[in-house]
Formats: sequence, structure tokens, C-alpha cells
Amino acid sequence: GAVVSQHPSRVICKSGTSVKIECRSLDFQATTMFWYRQFPKQSLMLMATSNEGSKATYEQGVEKDKFLINHASLTLSTLTVTSAHPEDSSFYICSARVDWNTEAFFGQGTRLTVV
Amino acid sequence: QKEVEQNSGPLSVPEGAIASLNCTYSDRGSQSFFWYRQYSGKSPELIMSIYSNGDKEDGRFTAQLNKASQYVSLLIRDSQPSDSATYLCAVVSGGYNKLIFGAGTRLAVHP
Repeated sequence: GAVVSQHPSRVICKSGTSVKIECRSLDFQATTMFWYRQFPKQSLMLMATSNEGSKATYEQGVEKDKFLINHASLTLSTLTVTSAHPEDSSFYICSARVDWNTEAFFGQGTRLTVV
Repeated sequence: QKEVEQNSGPLSVPEGAIASLNCTYSDRGSQSFFWYRQYSGKSPELIMSIYSNGDKEDGRFTAQLNKASQYVSLLIRDSQPSDSATYLCAVVSGGYNKLIFGAGTRLAVHP
């Protein structure tokens, strides 16, 4: 399968600071990237869908000003958690796909802990 | 109604048996369906994709799709303890743009 690289894999930050997570498709061009959040023992919750060159589409209940998503190229999308709080601590995972009907491949995930 | 529904399990099967995992979805216009496996603390990995009604086999895995019933299933033959994981059903929905996951079914294969 295709390779999606997500960085960092683990980050601890202080409450009130911002954290940027990068998601790169290494061997294919991703027209769409997805950002998910997963709390322990819960399912993957879609946060936003990002198409290259356009604004991300956020799911209901996800604050677009808090979770900034940029998809500036066909191989890179970033998620910035602004003014992080302990309740933002979670496992954040990106995935990328070439086209609407093709498989989506996942990055390794980022475990964010806000202290 | 959730967009993609799965029985959370756990589904417990003995080693060597067939594990059957089921999924229903609400968007009748959905065209693409996927099964992922997720080990604890890891991100999901793709097992299979299916787009047409009927069966699709890949090694020990068989995916089945019935669009009329809005139903997708995954069969795992000769289950192994290493198959123990959470299996996620995913559906492309929302006008072909969103990839929505079910809550997952936890499978436990015991020796």
C-alpha cells in the first residue's frame, strides 16, 4: 500500500500553546486528506476533510478556529491545534487518498498530551 | 441513526474458525466500502476494498457487499491469534467526499 507519514508521533505540550502536526503522502499525490481524532477505546471521529488548494470542510462540532487545517500541496496537510487544553489530549490520525473512490491510507498517528 | 453501524463485540472465536464481521450503512448513494484493522494504540491499516455487489476474496479475507440491503461484511477464514484486533468498516459518503468509519468490532481469537 501507499505510504503516509505523520509527524510527530508523540507530543506533550503545555496548556495554552499550539501544536502543529504534519501529514505527508510519500509516494502518491493526495487530492484529499482526512483528519480524525480518537479517544481511548472509542471510534475514529472525522474532524475535517481537506482538499488540496481549498478550505477544509469541518464536521459539526469541530471548531475551525481551534483546529487549523492547511492542505497547500498534493503531498502535505497540516493540523494545528491552537491554544491547546487538556481536553484536547487525544490520538490524532491523518489519512490520504488519490481520488474519491480509492483507498485511504493512514499515517502513524500523533498522540497529543496537553498538561 | 449512525451513518455506519457495527456491533462493538467482542467477537470471540477459536483459532482456525471463521470470524464474521458485519456492517450496515445509511447513505444509499455510497459506492465505496473498506475494511480496516486497528491494533491497540496504532493507526488503522487497510485490509480490503469493495465496490460492487457480491464477494471479493483476498487470501483468508472475503468481503461481501449488498447495496440493496446496505450491508457489508468481512469473513476471516482460519482465524489466528494475530488477527485479534478491532475491525473498522468505512464508507465513502457525503457526495463521495467523506470517509466515515463505524465504531469497530473487537475480535478476539483464542488458541
